[in-house]
Amino acid sequence: GDSVTQMEGPVTLSEEAFLTINCTYTATGYPSLFWYVQYPGEGLQLLLKATKADDKGSNKGFEATYRKETTSFHLEKGSVQVSDSAVYFCALRTAAGTALIFGKGTTLSVSS
Amino acid sequence: DTGVSQDPRHKITKRGQNVTFRCDPISEHNRLYWYRQTLGQGPEFLTYFQNEAQLEKSRLLSDRFSAERPKGSFSTLEIQRTEQGDSAMYLCASSLWDGQDGYTFGSGTRLTVV
Repeated sequence: GDSVTQMEGPVTLSEEAFLTINCTYTATGYPSLFWYVQYPGEGLQLLLKATKADDKGSNKGFEATYRKETTSFHLEKGSVQVSDSAVYFCALRTAAGTALIFGKGTTLSVSS
Repeated sequence: DTGVSQDPRHKITKRGQNVTFRCDPISEHNRLYWYRQTLGQGPEFLTYFQNEAQLEKSRLLSDRFSAERPKGSFSTLEIQRTEQGDSAMYLCASSLWDGQDGYTFGSGTRLTVV
């Protein structure tokens, strides 16, 4: 079945460090891909998305490129801030499906 | 419209009791979804509605769970005869049509069954 695999956390970085959170997927057809972020005590917020191969989603300094050849959608940010500390979820939605399928989440902790 | 609202934020109940949660989606969104999230896991799909019609249910949704969206606006999720394994965060989300632009999630209802 369709699935999403994320790198396990926690990821601990110093402020201004470079961030990569790996995400790979298994799906039939051409899924849409998403990154959601969950700050402590809050709901999931859509961070960025890409709907077709080679699309790059970007928001708030975060980027991810939809790579069909490697079935990946890795999240990157050039310089993290303490305020980026949160749990990040990679998700997919297949063309045939209706539900978002989430990875287990990766906790990011940024210290000053 | 301030987004997706869920009520209550927290619920503690004794095993065997029934509980009901409410979700108010973004008004122009015609699709509404329920998810469950346990500690250290990503959200898992439970069911979704298009307007008032319940179109899909996950096998995670046992017979003790029922969801309604009577007028195509707010939705309720009821759990009968709660068990400790039902303890989780219950998330509601809404979207326009097929959700290609992503879903908007509420803050969730945290259920603790004691």
